Amino acid sequence: DAEITQSPRHKITETGRQVTLACHQTWNHNNMFWYRQDLGHGLRLIHYSYGVHDTNKGEVSDGYSVSRSNTEDLPLTLESAASSQTSVYFCASSAGPRGRALEAFFGQGTRLTVV
Amino acid sequence: EDQVTQSPEALRLQEGESSSLNCSYTVSGLRGLFWYRQDPGKGPEFLFTLYSAGEEKEKERLKATLTKKESFLHITAPKPEDSATYLCAVQENDYKLSFGAGTTVTVRA
Repeated sequence: DAEITQSPRHKITETGRQVTLACHQTWNHNNMFWYRQDLGHGLRLIHYSYGVHDTNKGEVSDGYSVSRSNTEDLPLTLESAASSQTSVYFCASSAGPRGRALEAFFGQGTRLTVV
Repeated sequence: EDQVTQSPEALRLQEGESSSLNCSYTVSGLRGLFWYRQDPGKGPEFLFTLYSAGEEKEKERLKATLTKKESFLHITAPKPEDSATYLCAVQENDYKLSFGAGTTVTVRA
């Protein structure tokens, strides 16, 4: 079965270190997204991509970057980890061309703690 | 300015006690409204997509409805396994989803 996987599931890192969270989907979806989830804020969009070599900033993109070199992967990099980036991170993907509202499928999440 | 507001924040039900969750939105051009279920420690699981006012979707004990300003998720005769956080999201002009903060439902046996 096609799926979307995130790794690692849990990560503890130190302030100032660079961290990369992996996201891999096997649905061949064009659209991929990164969200963070914090108590009281719900899911907030960090970055998203509509296809290979396309990346866009979401509402909370400061301190994060992404790159899309193939259809299957959208790694999320924290350039210099800060305690405010302690959160649960979710990757999602969806199919279809622009203009059609199609459901997004989510990974199991990565719990990141910055100490 | 919040685009999606869910209420109540938490809902405690007795098994068999039907209730409704509300999702109100303020986007101007709605392309789709989505309901997801999220269990603790897991990613959101897709439930329904609604596209236009008047549309209804059903799945087991869940029924989602849509008006021009809000959506309702009705839970009929809930069971303990329906305990979860239910998330509402809207899609406006492209593929980005804007989520509400969710309603945490607890169903007691």
